[in-house]
Amino acid sequence: GAVVSQHPSRVICKSGTSVKIECRSLDFQATTMFWYRQFPKQSLMLMATSNEGSKATYEQGVEKDKFLINHASLTLSTLTVTSAHPEDSSFYICSASQPHSYEQYFGPGTRLTVT
Amino acid sequence: GEDVEQSLFLSVREGDSSVINCTYTDSSSTYLYWYKQEPGAGLQLLTYIFSNMDMKQDQRLTVLLNKKDKHLSLRIADTQTGDSAIYFCADHLPPGKLIFGQGTTLQVKP
Repeated sequence: GAVVSQHPSRVICKSGTSVKIECRSLDFQATTMFWYRQFPKQSLMLMATSNEGSKATYEQGVEKDKFLINHASLTLSTLTVTSAHPEDSSFYICSASQPHSYEQYFGPGTRLTVT
Repeated sequence: GEDVEQSLFLSVREGDSSVINCTYTDSSSTYLYWYKQEPGAGLQLLTYIFSNMDMKQDQRLTVLLNKKDKHLSLRIADTQTGDSAIYFCADHLPPGKLIFGQGTTLQVKP
């Protein structure tokens, strides 16, 4: 149990376009989902925390207008990278947690390349 | 602020034990986690320890926590080539934020 999926696993887009990444909890209801960014050979940096039905909480330094997060249901959160630029190229990983649980279950990640 | 530090690289021979160390700074930690990441993949939760425990054993994995020194370690017994990966420790801060270390690359030589 506790499986989290992400779609797509890889995406290449042109500079200036927008890209949407989906994160789904497949067999549980996720009241909270988290979005992380990972640069090559580096750690995961939390970008934002989203709770179902409310606005996401962004970490300091993360542009909320650039990285739009929607958590419209208990099993789906989306991250939209708007007007992507090459510096947005990265590995984006989501995680999800159940109510009253300290565990976070991670998705397999999405590799975004902006050309 | 919150910070988690790990050594970046560890190389061991197959069959030896591996010990990966981690230090953290925040006193309000509730849980501490160890995750494994293989190339191009997401994170797999290996084990975790509650902050009021000092040891947890799970098959080949032993976690030791020294809360006074804010030091966490992961010992992998009988290390296998399939254990080669990057290992992240993470500090859980209420109400749900995870702070990750830089990751330790474990290389297992046959």
